[in-house]
Amino acid sequence: EVQLLESGGGLVQPGGSLRLSCVVSGFTFNSYAMYWVRQTPGKGLEWVSSITGTGNNGYYADSVKGRFTISRDNSKNTLYLEMTGLRVEDTAIYFCGKRAGGSYIENWLDFWGQGTPVTVSA
Amino acid sequence: EKVMTQSPDTLSVSPGERATLSCRASQNIGNSLAWYQQKPGQAPRLLIYGASSRATGIPARFSGSGFGTEFTLIISSLQSEDFAVYYCLQYNSWPSLTFGGGTKVEIK
Repeated sequence: EVQLLESGGGLVQPGGSLRLSCVVSGFTFNSYAMYWVRQTPGKGLEWVSSITGTGNNGYYADSVKGRFTISRDNSKNTLYLEMTGLRVEDTAIYFCGKRAGGSYIENWLDFWGQGTPVTVSA
Repeated sequence: EKVMTQSPDTLSVSPGERATLSCRASQNIGNSLAWYQQKPGQAPRLLIYGASSRATGIPARFSGSGFGTEFTLIISSLQSEDFAVYYCLQYNSWPSLTFGGGTKVEIK
């Protein structure tokens, strides 16, 4: 059974930092690219970041580029999102998700974690 | 940047009736379109990928169609557990993804 479990969310002041983790099981982690997606009441679902299976390449939405860093430890079956310079508008539920396949046409998310809430407020 | 527009924002349907949800892409995305169902407090659940392929375990009352810029999700006979918010996702341009704004299906 595929499982993804996020942690690390919480309340942080503007300008602060948080590190989100996503521990996975039930599939060969290093064979799949992974995603971070966030959800806010106002903006709905928003892609945040992607990372290749090897971890060699990370990609970011313009809204977080230069502030967030995606990484993974394939020996620990864990995905990370390091968030710095947090802004009020980063307040959201953050989901990790697994890319469905290994080819460049199988880019949808087939499994999601339950999400971890991040609140940025003074 | 691809923009995904869903309509309507809210759909009021009686149990047993048919629901038709639309998703429009601002550019041609071929069949790189997925549909998700989300209930309060839960993660989105994959229903459809490749515009028309049902994910594992998804009932046959859910069907997807479309290609290019116009896509449709049909729920043929709404069950009580189908009242939720539905999102479309375009995945044509790795590594980025774009979601639609969602359609809430509520009980009439």
